[in-house]
Amino acid sequence: QVQLRESGPRLVKPSETLSLTCNVAGDSMMDYYWNWVRQSAGTGLEWIGRIYSSGTTNYNPSLKGRVTMSAETWKNQFSLTLTSLTAADTGTYYCARTRGLTDGHFYYDMDVWGKGTTVIVSS
Amino acid sequence: YGLTQPPSVSVAPGQTARVTCGGSNVATKTVHWYQQKPGQAPVLVVYDEFDRPPGIPERFSGSSSGNTATLTISSVEAGDEADYYCQIWDRGRDLYVFGSGTTVTVL
Repeated sequence: QVQLRESGPRLVKPSETLSLTCNVAGDSMMDYYWNWVRQSAGTGLEWIGRIYSSGTTNYNPSLKGRVTMSAETWKNQFSLTLTSLTAADTGTYYCARTRGLTDGHFYYDMDVWGKGTTVIVSS
Repeated sequence: YGLTQPPSVSVAPGQTARVTCGGSNVATKTVHWYQQKPGQAPVLVVYDEFDRPPGIPERFSGSSSGNTATLTISSVEAGDEADYYCQIWDRGRDLYVFGSGTTVTVL
């Protein structure tokens, strides 16, 4: 059974860069899409972006070019970098899997999620 | 493209809860639903409009027509109390959109 675990700093200063990693256990990363989703306290879910195992990416344009994702499939992990942080970036960050093309069907849902990691942007 | 959900739905135990997700021609898109309990990560409860992942009770069902997708929870239990989010993949813009979320309260 695949499991995801996020890791990274809990506290980051404004204007600095956040780097988070999601470790994938129990399955290969190959042929799946890997997402980052965040949630500010008391608010809804916001999709940050996704990366395919080949390295192809899609990002939420609302983050205005501050996002970069990478995948290190040989390590079974993928990463998120978010620059120019402000207090508005404070929240819980989740990684999640999208199966994509599996058994002849294309799945767009996020079927496996990590438990999330809390990030606080504060000086 | 935006997805609109009612902020809250209240339902008595054993009754049926319906959570709506409004969007332009949403019935032409593939809608997924997630359940999120306090302090926990979201859990997929319905995908591809009406399919359920393994382990999700048959009480959870999805449907879609015109501009509204609906998550129906039958025979509601106290453990169903949670926030529910709809989601689509916007093919035109290559991005995921989540609904605003609905809090289901079991009276």
